[in-house]
Amino acid sequence: EDQVTQSPEALRLQEGESSSLNCSYTVSGLRGLFWYRQDPGKGPEFLFTLYSAGEEKEKERLKATLTKKESFLHITAPKPEDSATYLCAVRYRAGNMLTFGGGTRLMVKP
Amino acid sequence: EAQVTQNPRYLITVTGKKLTVTCSQNMNHEYMSWYRQDPGLGLRQIYYSMNVEVTDKGDVPEGYKVSRKEKRNFPLILESPSPNQTSLYFCASSRPGNYGYTFGSGTRLTVV
Repeated sequence: EDQVTQSPEALRLQEGESSSLNCSYTVSGLRGLFWYRQDPGKGPEFLFTLYSAGEEKEKERLKATLTKKESFLHITAPKPEDSATYLCAVRYRAGNMLTFGGGTRLMVKP
Repeated sequence: EAQVTQNPRYLITVTGKKLTVTCSQNMNHEYMSWYRQDPGLGLRQIYYSMNVEVTDKGDVPEGYKVSRKEKRNFPLILESPSPNQTSLYFCASSRPGNYGYTFGSGTRLTVV
C-alpha cells in the first residue's frame, strides 16, 4: 500500500538544539515531495518542493533533503518561533493529487 | 495580497441540511483542491480541479460535490451532511506543476 509516514510524531527541543524530522514514503514514481509548516488554527504554509534523490533546499534554519525512500527536514539552532506541525506530502499519481503524512509536532522551548 | 479565501470559518449545521463552503483565490491559479483534516488521519484530499470545468475525485470524495465554473472559485457542496463529515476543511490553489499549494485559513464544520 502506498504510504507516507512521518517520525517522530512529536519532538521537544531546547532553543538551539538542532535535530531532524523524517518523512518516509513507499510510493512508486515519485513526482515531487513537499514540506509544509502548519501553525495551530491555520492552513499549511508551503516550505519546499524536492524532485529527485540528492536534491537539497534551504530556507533560514531549515534544510530539506531527499533520498529514494525518504526525506529529512533538518532544523539548525531552532528558535521558539519554529514551533509548529511540519507536514510532508508526495505527488506520485497523475493529476494533482497529494498524499500527506501525519505530521511532526515540533515544540522548541526557550 | 495573494490569498485563498474560504467562507465560513465556522459552521454548525444539522444532519441532512445542504450546505456550501465557498473558496476563492486571487492568484489566477489553474489548480484548486479541497482537503479535510481529522485528528489521527491527517490531511486527505476530497476533490481537485486542474482548470475550469475539469474536476476529479481525491481519496475521500463520498458525500461531497464540487464545481469549477470560474477559474477563481471552487465551492465544496455537501448535499446531505452527516456527523462523520464533521471536520476541518481546507481549500488550496497552485500553479500547474510541482509548485506548492497556497492554503486557505480553513472551515471548521460541525454536523449534529
